[in-house]
Amino acid sequence: NAGVMQNPRHLVRRRGQEARLRCSPMKGHSHVYWYRQLPEEGLKFMVYLQKENIIDESGMPKERFSAEFPKEGPSILRIQQVVRGDSAAYFCASSLEVRYTEAFFGQGTRLTVV
Amino acid sequence: GEDVEQSLFLSVREGDSSVINCTYTDSSSTYLYWYKQEPGAGLQLLTYIFSNMDMKQDQRLTVLLNKKDKHLSLRIADTQTGDSAIYFCAEADSGGGADGLTFGKGTHLIIQP
Repeated sequence: NAGVMQNPRHLVRRRGQEARLRCSPMKGHSHVYWYRQLPEEGLKFMVYLQKENIIDESGMPKERFSAEFPKEGPSILRIQQVVRGDSAAYFCASSLEVRYTEAFFGQGTRLTVV
Repeated sequence: GEDVEQSLFLSVREGDSSVINCTYTDSSSTYLYWYKQEPGAGLQLLTYIFSNMDMKQDQRLTVLLNKKDKHLSLRIADTQTGDSAIYFCAEADSGGGADGLTFGKGTHLIIQP
């Protein structure tokens, strides 16, 4: 059983472009969480999704950021019109139930905006 | 709002014990976690403790919780070079879900030979 898979591992975008980050949860996991880690900072919660539903997006910036977790396929975190301040590591975690004691993190996508 | 504080660096000699400290503010914290992050890698859950426990031991790891002072510590016995990493303290006010985990900024554990 593969772990949480995120791709790409590294992503470089020019200012104004769109960034798409993918997260494939562990097999059987229907709960997905996205976190952002700014340089020298801890992880900040962004959004919690279940299949086809956004449960809590209280940590998402109001503009340019969106997330989805379709019935089929990976969860996608989309950042439109990226700016330098979006440069960070974005981590996805998944769990079978709503329990962080059983949540597993992916290796992250490191986004660099140039 | 919720806040989790950790010192940024800890330096220990190989073979000694490492003690990483964390304080939190949310009195409704139910679960407290320690994660390890090696360079360029994701987060690895090391251990967790429920708020109704004082101590949890797992091989070389000992977690102590002082709920009154909202203080959590992670002790690593016989520290090895492979323990060199960033250690994050995190808390949740339930088993997970709605508002996610709140993380500290992480403690860089540096091992001296």
